[in-house]
Amino acid sequence: KQEVTQIPAALSVPEGENLVLNCSFTDSAIYNLQWFRQDPGKGLTSLLLIQSSQREQTSGRLNASLDKSSGRSTLYIAASQPGDSATYLCAVAFGNEKLTFGTGTRLTIIP
Amino acid sequence: EAGVAQSPRYKIIEKRQSVAFWCNPISGHATLYWYQQILGQGPKLLIQFQNNGVVDDSQLPKDRFSAERLKGVDSTLKIQPAKLEDSAVYLCASSSYTSGYEQYFGPGTRLTVT
Repeated sequence: KQEVTQIPAALSVPEGENLVLNCSFTDSAIYNLQWFRQDPGKGLTSLLLIQSSQREQTSGRLNASLDKSSGRSTLYIAASQPGDSATYLCAVAFGNEKLTFGTGTRLTIIP
Repeated sequence: EAGVAQSPRYKIIEKRQSVAFWCNPISGHATLYWYQQILGQGPKLLIQFQNNGVVDDSQLPKDRFSAERLKGVDSTLKIQPAKLEDSAVYLCASSSYTSGYEQYFGPGTRLTVT
């Protein structure tokens, strides 16, 4: 069964720290991997898309990496800010563009 | 560029009633998805359309859920009759081949079944 796991379920860090969110998946034959942000009561905002042939993507203070052989992706957030507080979801397209989501990591940045 | 639009944003119904949700994808996006997100979980794909054809509806409870995308643009998702366990947020997303199938989501419809 193709699954996506995100640990921990919740994380609190002081403002200004760099942090890493983890995502693991069960099948290395992926089409792409996407990281999303979800604020309470809102829809999902796409942060980064990594195609199967890529190793990482960067956008501003965010950097996402992909290691298919180990079934892992990380989302690195530099110089965290209170506005970064949200739930971060990892989603993997296994073999086609259909996404399988993890349950997310709820991030709280402490001012 | 306008994003994915959904309506209504909130809906409260009693069990056994019917409800319909509407989605308008990003212009030019051929692929449209409906997801169900139960509180505390990640979204689960219900159905995927490519233009007006169904690509994947393997997780759609077909005895009560139906969806259509008649002209390959707007889509509607219907539940009839609703059950208590259908209480969730229903998310619509769209993507295109030209953007590597990056999925863009609408704000969702929060359904409460009482």
